[in-house]
Amino acid sequence: AQKVTQAQTEISVVEKEDVTLDCVYETRDTTYYLFWYKQPPSGELVFLIRRNSFDEQNEISGRYSWNFQKSTSSFNFTITASQVVDSAVYFCALSRVNNAGNMLTFGGGTRLMVKP
Amino acid sequence: EAQVTQNPRYLITVTGKKLTVTCSQNMNHEYMSWYRQDPGLGLRQIYYSMNVEVTDKGDVPEGYKVSRKEKRNFPLILESPSPNQTSLYFCASSLLSGRAGEQYFGPGTRLTVT
Repeated sequence: AQKVTQAQTEISVVEKEDVTLDCVYETRDTTYYLFWYKQPPSGELVFLIRRNSFDEQNEISGRYSWNFQKSTSSFNFTITASQVVDSAVYFCALSRVNNAGNMLTFGGGTRLMVKP
Repeated sequence: EAQVTQNPRYLITVTGKKLTVTCSQNMNHEYMSWYRQDPGLGLRQIYYSMNVEVTDKGDVPEGYKVSRKEKRNFPLILESPSPNQTSLYFCASSLLSGRAGEQYFGPGTRLTVT
């Protein structure tokens, strides 16, 4: 069975602070995909990143960066110089490769509040 | 514009009154899925479909039905809604091959059952 754990249910920071959202996953598969989605107050789900389990290279996109460590089954997400617009719920998710269900297993989400 | 649409976006209903939430995608995706989102639980899959006339249960299928008569549409049916089905529902679609797992989500349907 697959499982994704986001231990931080809520994080509150002041604008311009850096913040890291933790994600730990469990899977028996050797090949899988990891994702981060953002859910702003408006409710829609916004795709942020998809990472193949073969690719442990860290990725940076503007103020966002992701640290994938297969040895610790973690896929953490860092926002540098946070902004009020970053306030949202963030979900980490895990997907099997070649799984007939093509199912995403989501973590419980981390609510990030960025205060001005 | 490539998108997944859901209707209605908001629905308040009473226990036992059958309802249908529609989902449609215009990307010719084989795979479609329904999730429900509840606080602290993230999103959990209800049902999925790998193609027309092919559907299967996800993690939390009890109390729901689906059908896939056309590739673009995947309605979610609650034959006899109960208050514990009050939730935020998302429809999603994706290709089966290629970028596996990268699902496109609809805007969500907030359902309240009283």
